[in-house]
Amino acid sequence: EPEVTQTPSHQVTQMGQEVILRCVPISNHLYFYWYRQILGQKVEFLVSFYNNEISEKSEIFDDQFSVERPDGSNFTLKIRSTKLEDSAMYFCASSLQGGTEKLFFGSGTQLSVL
Amino acid sequence: EDQVTQSPEALRLQEGESSSLNCSYTVSGLRGLFWYRQDPGKGPEFLFTLYSAGEEKEKERLKATLTKKESFLHITAPKPEDSATYLCAVRTPLKGYQKVTFGTGTKLQVIP
Repeated sequence: EPEVTQTPSHQVTQMGQEVILRCVPISNHLYFYWYRQILGQKVEFLVSFYNNEISEKSEIFDDQFSVERPDGSNFTLKIRSTKLEDSAMYFCASSLQGGTEKLFFGSGTQLSVL
Repeated sequence: EDQVTQSPEALRLQEGESSSLNCSYTVSGLRGLFWYRQDPGKGPEFLFTLYSAGEEKEKERLKATLTKKESFLHITAPKPEDSATYLCAVRTPLKGYQKVTFGTGTKLQVIP
C-alpha cells in the first residue's frame, strides 16, 4: 500500500538554526499538508499546499515557516530560525482530493530544539 | 472559538467489552467531523468522515455516529489490536478557507 514517507525520523538542532523537514507524499496525491503535535498536546494544523501554492495556513504558520515542492516528489517544511517551542512531532500528510480529511499521514519527524 | 472535547481521556477495556468514546464540539459551521486512530510514534490513520446529524459509518468493530453537538465512536467486542489513541477532528470555515481542529484524543487500552 502506498504511504507517505518522512525523513529524518529524528532531528536535533540548536536554537536559531534552520531546519528542513522532508516528505515524499503518495505519488498521485495533489494536496499536501503539514501538522505538528507537541508532546502531550493536540495535533495542530500548520499549512496545506496545492498546485504549487499555499491554500490554507494556521496562525502558527508565521514568517519563520515556509513550504516548498522542489520537484515532482518531495514536499518540504523549512523553519528558518528554530525556537525551543518548535520542538514537536511534525507530520506530513497528503490527499487525493481537497476539502476532505481522508488524509494519509507519514510517521512524523521528531524535532528537538536545544 | 471552535472547541473539540474528547472523553474519557483514557479507557481500559477487557477484550470483548463494548464501549463508546465521545467527541463533543462547539463550532460555527461544521464542514465535517473526522475520526482517526493514532498508534504510538505514528501519524494519525483515517477512519471515518461524518457530515450531517444522523449519519453513521461502520468499519469492522467500529461505528461512528453524529448528532448536532457530539459524535460517538462505538467499539463492539474490542480486541487488543484496537488499542490506540482515537482522535476526533472538525473542519470549519475560517476567513474564506477552512480549518481543522483536533481533540486531545482518547487513549484506549484493550486487555486480553
